[in-house]
Amino acid sequence: SAVISQKPSRDICQRGTSLTIQCQVDSQVTMMFWYRQQPGQSLTLIATANQGSEATYESGFVIDKFPISRPNLTFSTLTVSNMSPEDSSIYLCSVEEGTGTGIVQYFGPGTRLTVT
Amino acid sequence: GESVGLHLPTLSVQEGDNSIINCAYSNSASDYFIWYKQESGKGPQFIIDIRSNMDKRQGQRVTVLLNKTVKHLSLQIAATQPGDSAVYFCAETRLGTGANSKLTFGKGITLSVRP
Repeated sequence: SAVISQKPSRDICQRGTSLTIQCQVDSQVTMMFWYRQQPGQSLTLIATANQGSEATYESGFVIDKFPISRPNLTFSTLTVSNMSPEDSSIYLCSVEEGTGTGIVQYFGPGTRLTVT
Repeated sequence: GESVGLHLPTLSVQEGDNSIINCAYSNSASDYFIWYKQESGKGPQFIIDIRSNMDKRQGQRVTVLLNKTVKHLSLQIAATQPGDSAVYFCAETRLGTGANSKLTFGKGITLSVRP
């Protein structure tokens, strides 16, 4: 499966600031996904990022708050803008791969964000 | 909206016993299901998947069962080991729609293995 890395692995930020999270994949992929996982909760899809086009955001998430870049087939960034304590979460990126049975998403290690 | 949910938030099992983790899904259009394992401080890790044209699929020490009649999915872990301690998520999607395969995740259940 694809090897996915994220930077930073964790950060503590002050409210009102912004943080950009990087996601790097070791192979070229068409789609990359960004998720949020609030403490003790499940994963919620923020947006899907295709190279060469604007990201597609899910209900409840907007580009002004979570701008995404996808400059090439192996890299994407997610920015959490004007942060508040409610943005404290784990942010995860993922990519798709076929398994023979279906198409699985493989995840990076996550970025643990605490907003104070 | 439709959702995928899990019956129990936590499960405690004795090392060496078999574990059964259950999941209910409500979207009858879903045709592909995945189980993930998330260890503390890590991202979710793929365990096993199953398509809706199958009732059962086996992997190494794990078996996934699908009952489409009652929209129920289960993950069975044989001879549970301490390394199996983690949060387990089921996820569902519908393949072949031409759109990306958006996953809907269940709430997660914590498996705790007693030595």
